[in-house]
Amino acid sequence: GAVVSQHPSWVICKSGTSVKIECRSLDFQATTMFWYRQFPKQSLMLMATSNEGSKATYEQGVEKDKFLINHASLTLSTLTVTSAHPEDSSFYICSASSDRSTEAFFGQGTRLTVV
Amino acid sequence: QQPVQSPQAVILREGEDAVINCSSSKALYSVHWYRQKHGEAPVFLMILLKGGEQKGHDKISASFNEKKQQSSLYLTASQLSYSGTYFCGTGVNQGGKLIFGQGTELSVKP
Repeated sequence: GAVVSQHPSWVICKSGTSVKIECRSLDFQATTMFWYRQFPKQSLMLMATSNEGSKATYEQGVEKDKFLINHASLTLSTLTVTSAHPEDSSFYICSASSDRSTEAFFGQGTRLTVV
Repeated sequence: QQPVQSPQAVILREGEDAVINCSSSKALYSVHWYRQKHGEAPVFLMILLKGGEQKGHDKISASFNEKKQQSSLYLTASQLSYSGTYFCGTGVNQGGKLIFGQGTELSVKP
């Protein structure tokens, strides 16, 4: 199956700083990438959809100025959590799909802890 | 709209069977099933695309009903390794965007 690599696996940062998370498709061209957030004992909640070369589409309630998404190439999307606060601590997971593909492949997730 | 999974939690003895249901208020293009262990990313189990489709591997199978609004995951002769939280992810079109159910926590005891 297709491989999606997410980096870092975990990160601890101070409140007020920014954190960047990378999502790479290693063996296919990901025209679309999805970013999810999962709080403990909850489901995966879709944050945004990004298409290569265009602006991301954010789900209702997700602050686009706080969660900056860049999808500059067909193999890389980044999520930057700006001015992170403890309530942003969560498990962030990306998935990627190729052009008009139904199946999405997940990265291994990034656990963000803001102290 | 988030699909509804039932039951929310189930406890099994090793070797017992279980069924997890996923129900949507609208017609679906696809249903994807995942299992997630604590602290890890979800692991893909299977995808169903056609109404009436059934598929499986090993002792895990799933169905997607004809009206394409409901799917069920069947776990037969459960093993300890089946423990985890099971999520259904639903897609309303051909793209990979999925909306996940709230999850079903499954615990298999020896």
